[in-house]
Amino acid sequence: GENVEQHPSTLSVQEGDSAVIKCTYSDSASNYFPWYKQELGKRPQLIIDIRSNVGEKKDQRIAVTLNKTAKHFSLHITETQPEDSAVYFCAADTGGFKTIFGAGTRLFVKA
Amino acid sequence: EPEVTQTPSHQVTQMGQEVILRCVPISNHLYFYWYRQILGQKVEFLVSFYNNEISEKSEIFDDQFSVERPDGSNFTLKIRSTKLEDSAMYFCASSEARQGVEKLFFGSGTQLSVL
Repeated sequence: GENVEQHPSTLSVQEGDSAVIKCTYSDSASNYFPWYKQELGKRPQLIIDIRSNVGEKKDQRIAVTLNKTAKHFSLHITETQPEDSAVYFCAADTGGFKTIFGAGTRLFVKA
Repeated sequence: EPEVTQTPSHQVTQMGQEVILRCVPISNHLYFYWYRQILGQKVEFLVSFYNNEISEKSEIFDDQFSVERPDGSNFTLKIRSTKLEDSAMYFCASSEARQGVEKLFFGSGTQLSVL
């Protein structure tokens, strides 16, 4: 089955800097790659997603890139703000409605 | 924006007891899911449900677990005989999924504590 690896587990950046979180997946059939943000004690919420027919997608300060050949995908947050502090999860789905999550990255944005 | 609602928010039970966690998915969604998250760990897939039957399930979802859509609005997860290691936050989710896999809308979760 699908396995998603995520790095780093913790990331600390200065406000205004960029943050990059990287994930790899194992199942070449995976075709949907969402990113979820989870604030402390809250539910995970989708922040951006990408499908396998697209290499890059951007939404304001957030962008995601996908390299299908290498089975890598990454989240890029530019101009980070304190409210970006949260746990970020990457995930992958083969289209079988079984979304598998990475272990999460705890992002700290220092003011 | 419509939300997935879950009840109760907290459930404390004795080991060996049965628990039922309840969820009301977003009304026009077609796929329903249960995930769990042990404190500080990843969100783990348990089961997906479509058209009144299980679509996919994980190794975690063994014979002690079952799901049901008893009426047109509720979606339940039953754990027949709880174990200490079942203690976790259980999230229900739903998705519209009319054109393949789409974003999951999570409920606020039920924190299950097995003593």
